[in-house]
Amino acid sequence: RKEVEQDPGPFNVPEGATVAFNCTYSNSASQSFFWYRQDCRKEPKLLMSVYSSGNEDGRFTAQLNRASQYISLLIRDSKLSDSATYLCVVPGYGQNFVFGPGTRLSVLP
Amino acid sequence: DARVTQTPRDKVTEMGQEVTMRCQPILGHNTVFWYRQTMMQGLELLAYFRNRAPLDDSGMPKDRFSAEMPDATLATLKIQPSEPRDSAVYFCASAGQGGTEAFFGQGTRLTVV
Repeated sequence: RKEVEQDPGPFNVPEGATVAFNCTYSNSASQSFFWYRQDCRKEPKLLMSVYSSGNEDGRFTAQLNRASQYISLLIRDSKLSDSATYLCVVPGYGQNFVFGPGTRLSVLP
Repeated sequence: DARVTQTPRDKVTEMGQEVTMRCQPILGHNTVFWYRQTMMQGLELLAYFRNRAPLDDSGMPKDRFSAEMPDATLATLKIQPSEPRDSAVYFCASAGQGGTEAFFGQGTRLTVV
Protein backbone atom coordinates (compact mmCIF):
# COMPACT_ATOMS: atom_id res chain seq x y z
CA ARG A 1 0.00 0.00 0.00
CA LYS A 2 1.33 3.44 -0.86
CA GLU A 3 2.00 5.79 2.04
CA VAL A 4 -0.56 8.34 0.85
CA GLU A 5 -3.30 7.73 -1.70
CA GLN A 6 -5.78 10.07 -3.29
CA ASP A 7 -8.38 9.88 -6.02
CA PRO A 8 -6.66 11.72 -8.89
CA GLY A 9 -9.92 13.00 -10.36
CA PRO A 10 -10.43 15.24 -12.19
CA PHE A 11 -13.46 16.47 -10.33
CA ASN A 12 -15.47 18.78 -12.58
CA VAL A 13 -18.11 20.67 -10.60
CA PRO A 14 -20.28 23.73 -11.26
CA GLU A 15 -19.81 26.93 -9.32
CA GLY A 16 -21.55 26.82 -6.00
CA ALA A 17 -21.32 23.06 -5.65
CA THR A 18 -19.98 21.23 -2.64
CA VAL A 19 -17.15 18.84 -3.33
CA ALA A 20 -15.20 16.46 -1.10
CA PHE A 21 -11.88 14.71 -1.52
CA ASN A 22 -10.55 11.79 0.47
CA CYS A 23 -7.02 10.80 1.28
CA THR A 24 -5.90 7.54 2.88
CA TYR A 25 -2.58 6.99 4.61
CA SER A 26 -0.64 4.01 5.88
CA ASN A 27 1.43 5.46 8.74
CA SER A 28 -0.79 5.00 11.78
CA ALA A 29 1.72 6.92 13.91
CA SER A 30 1.20 10.20 12.05
CA GLN A 31 -0.12 12.91 14.31
CA SER A 32 -0.54 15.85 11.98
CA PHE A 33 -1.78 16.16 8.45
CA PHE A 34 -1.94 18.86 5.84
CA TRP A 35 -3.79 19.83 2.72
CA TYR A 36 -1.78 21.76 0.15
CA ARG A 37 -3.06 23.48 -2.94
CA GLN A 38 -1.09 23.64 -6.18
CA ASP A 39 -2.05 25.86 -9.08
CA CYS A 40 -0.94 25.02 -12.59
CA ARG A 41 2.80 25.59 -13.03
CA LYS A 42 3.16 26.91 -9.48
CA GLU A 43 4.56 25.57 -6.26
CA PRO A 44 2.38 23.85 -3.64
CA LYS A 45 1.13 26.07 -0.83
CA LEU A 46 -0.37 25.15 2.51
CA LEU A 47 -4.16 25.27 2.57
CA MET A 48 -4.99 23.71 5.94
CA SER A 49 -3.41 21.82 8.80
CA VAL A 50 -5.30 19.03 10.57
CA TYR A 51 -4.09 18.17 14.05
CA SER A 52 -7.06 16.63 15.85
CA SER A 53 -10.40 15.49 14.53
CA GLY A 54 -10.75 18.31 12.08
CA ASN A 55 -10.38 21.93 11.15
CA GLU A 56 -12.60 24.51 9.48
CA ASP A 57 -11.61 27.67 7.67
CA GLY A 58 -14.39 29.50 5.89
CA ARG A 59 -15.67 27.34 3.04
CA PHE A 60 -13.06 24.65 3.70
CA THR A 61 -13.41 21.85 6.22
CA ALA A 62 -10.85 19.14 6.83
CA GLN A 63 -11.73 16.05 8.84
CA LEU A 64 -9.59 13.27 10.20
CA ASN A 65 -10.64 9.70 10.86
CA ARG A 66 -7.77 7.99 12.64
CA ALA A 67 -9.50 4.63 12.97
CA SER A 68 -9.90 4.34 9.22
CA GLN A 69 -6.74 6.30 8.47
CA TYR A 70 -8.19 8.86 6.13
CA ILE A 71 -8.60 12.59 5.97
CA SER A 72 -11.06 14.50 3.88
CA LEU A 73 -11.34 18.00 2.49
CA LEU A 74 -14.75 19.54 1.92
CA ILE A 75 -15.19 22.68 -0.15
CA ARG A 76 -18.55 24.41 0.07
CA ASP A 77 -19.92 26.97 -2.38
CA SER A 78 -17.03 26.32 -4.77
CA LYS A 79 -15.60 29.23 -6.75
CA LEU A 80 -13.86 29.31 -10.11
CA SER A 81 -10.70 30.26 -8.22
CA ASP A 82 -10.80 26.97 -6.32
CA SER A 83 -9.71 25.16 -9.51
CA ALA A 84 -6.37 23.59 -8.64
CA THR A 85 -4.78 20.34 -7.55
CA TYR A 86 -5.24 19.47 -3.88
CA LEU A 87 -2.44 17.52 -2.27
CA CYS A 88 -2.78 15.51 0.90
CA VAL A 89 0.38 15.48 3.02
CA VAL A 90 1.21 13.03 5.78
CA PRO A 91 4.43 13.18 7.77
CA GLY A 92 6.38 10.01 7.13
CA TYR A 93 8.37 7.80 9.44
CA GLY A 94 11.30 10.18 9.43
CA GLN A 95 9.10 13.20 9.96
CA ASN A 96 9.46 14.09 6.33
CA PHE A 97 6.54 15.34 4.27
CA VAL A 98 5.03 12.65 2.07
CA PHE A 99 2.70 14.01 -0.58
CA GLY A 100 -0.19 12.19 -2.13
CA PRO A 101 -0.54 12.25 -5.92
CA GLY A 102 -3.10 15.05 -5.72
CA THR A 103 -6.71 15.46 -6.76
CA ARG A 104 -7.45 17.82 -9.60
CA LEU A 105 -10.48 20.06 -9.25
CA SER A 106 -12.05 22.11 -12.02
CA VAL A 107 -14.86 24.45 -11.07
CA LEU A 108 -16.93 25.29 -14.12
CA PRO A 109 -18.98 28.44 -14.72
CA ASP B 1 8.77 38.38 3.12
CA ALA B 2 10.65 35.16 3.82
CA ARG B 3 10.70 32.71 0.97
CA VAL B 4 12.60 29.76 -0.43
CA THR B 5 14.67 30.78 -3.43
CA GLN B 6 15.61 28.38 -6.19
CA THR B 7 17.91 28.90 -9.12
CA PRO B 8 17.78 28.58 -12.03
CA ARG B 9 14.06 28.83 -12.74
CA ASP B 10 14.42 27.09 -16.07
CA LYS B 11 17.21 24.95 -17.45
CA VAL B 12 17.53 23.28 -20.83
CA THR B 13 20.52 21.04 -21.26
CA GLU B 14 21.79 18.30 -23.48
CA MET B 15 21.88 14.70 -22.40
CA GLY B 16 25.11 13.86 -20.63
CA GLN B 17 25.70 17.34 -19.25
CA GLU B 18 25.99 18.13 -15.56
CA VAL B 19 23.13 20.07 -13.98
CA THR B 20 23.31 21.85 -10.64
CA MET B 21 20.23 23.27 -8.97
CA ARG B 22 20.48 25.56 -5.96
CA CYS B 23 18.16 26.36 -3.10
CA GLN B 24 18.29 28.98 -0.39
CA PRO B 25 15.96 27.89 2.43
CA ILE B 26 14.14 30.33 4.66
CA LEU B 27 16.53 31.70 7.27
CA GLY B 28 16.24 29.71 10.48
CA HIS B 29 14.60 26.67 8.92
CA ASN B 30 16.45 23.49 9.81
CA THR B 31 14.84 21.00 7.42
CA VAL B 32 15.30 21.11 3.66
CA PHE B 33 13.55 18.86 1.15
CA TRP B 34 14.16 18.16 -2.52
CA TYR B 35 11.16 16.98 -4.55
CA ARG B 36 10.72 16.11 -8.20
CA GLN B 37 7.39 16.51 -9.94
CA THR B 38 6.27 14.99 -13.21
CA MET B 39 2.82 14.49 -14.66
CA MET B 40 3.16 10.74 -14.29
CA GLN B 41 4.67 10.48 -10.81
CA GLY B 42 3.41 13.53 -8.96
CA LEU B 43 5.61 14.93 -6.19
CA GLU B 44 8.37 12.50 -5.28
CA LEU B 45 10.64 13.09 -2.32
CA LEU B 46 14.24 12.75 -3.47
CA ALA B 47 16.13 13.68 -0.32
CA TYR B 48 15.92 15.74 2.80
CA PHE B 49 18.26 17.25 5.36
CA ARG B 50 17.87 18.24 8.96
CA ASN B 51 20.42 20.59 10.47
CA ARG B 52 22.43 20.07 7.25
CA ALA B 53 22.73 16.32 7.80
CA PRO B 54 21.20 14.06 5.13
CA LEU B 55 18.39 12.05 6.71
CA ASP B 56 16.98 10.21 3.76
CA ASP B 57 18.00 10.11 0.13
CA SER B 58 16.42 6.79 -0.73
CA GLY B 59 14.22 8.44 -3.33
CA MET B 60 17.21 9.58 -5.34
CA PRO B 61 19.00 7.59 -8.09
CA LYS B 62 22.40 7.31 -6.43
CA ASP B 63 24.42 6.73 -9.56
CA ARG B 64 23.74 10.14 -11.05
CA PHE B 65 22.12 12.33 -8.39
CA SER B 66 23.76 13.93 -5.39
CA ALA B 67 22.41 16.36 -2.82
CA GLU B 68 24.44 18.44 -0.39
CA MET B 69 24.14 21.31 2.06
CA PRO B 70 27.50 23.09 2.10
CA ASP B 71 26.08 25.50 4.69
CA ALA B 72 22.78 26.37 6.32
CA THR B 73 21.87 28.85 3.59
CA LEU B 74 22.50 26.66 0.56
CA ALA B 75 21.31 23.28 -0.63
CA THR B 76 22.33 21.82 -3.97
CA LEU B 77 21.03 19.03 -6.15
CA LYS B 78 23.34 17.80 -8.86
CA ILE B 79 22.69 15.44 -11.75
CA GLN B 80 25.67 14.02 -13.60
CA PRO B 81 25.23 12.86 -16.30
CA SER B 82 21.73 14.10 -17.06
CA GLU B 83 19.27 12.02 -19.08
CA PRO B 84 16.01 12.92 -20.85
CA ARG B 85 14.02 11.03 -18.20
CA ASP B 86 15.29 13.54 -15.62
CA SER B 87 13.13 16.21 -17.25
CA ALA B 88 10.80 17.45 -14.52
CA VAL B 89 10.19 20.31 -12.13
CA TYR B 90 12.47 20.13 -9.11
CA PHE B 91 11.18 21.77 -5.95
CA CYS B 92 13.06 22.67 -2.84
CA ALA B 93 11.13 23.20 0.39
CA SER B 94 12.13 24.13 3.91
CA ALA B 95 10.49 23.73 7.29
CA GLY B 96 11.24 25.09 10.73
CA GLN B 97 11.55 23.37 14.10
CA GLY B 98 8.57 21.10 14.68
CA GLY B 99 7.95 20.93 10.94
CA THR B 100 4.45 22.34 10.97
CA GLU B 101 4.59 23.57 7.39
CA ALA B 102 6.87 23.10 4.43
CA PHE B 103 7.41 26.21 2.33
CA PHE B 104 8.22 25.62 -1.31
CA GLY B 105 10.41 27.46 -3.73
CA GLN B 106 9.13 28.23 -7.21
CA GLY B 107 10.91 25.24 -8.65
CA THR B 108 13.46 24.61 -11.37
CA ARG B 109 11.97 23.36 -14.62
CA LEU B 110 14.58 21.05 -16.13
CA THR B 111 14.46 19.87 -19.71
CA VAL B 112 17.08 17.41 -20.89
CA VAL B 113 17.19 16.98 -24.67
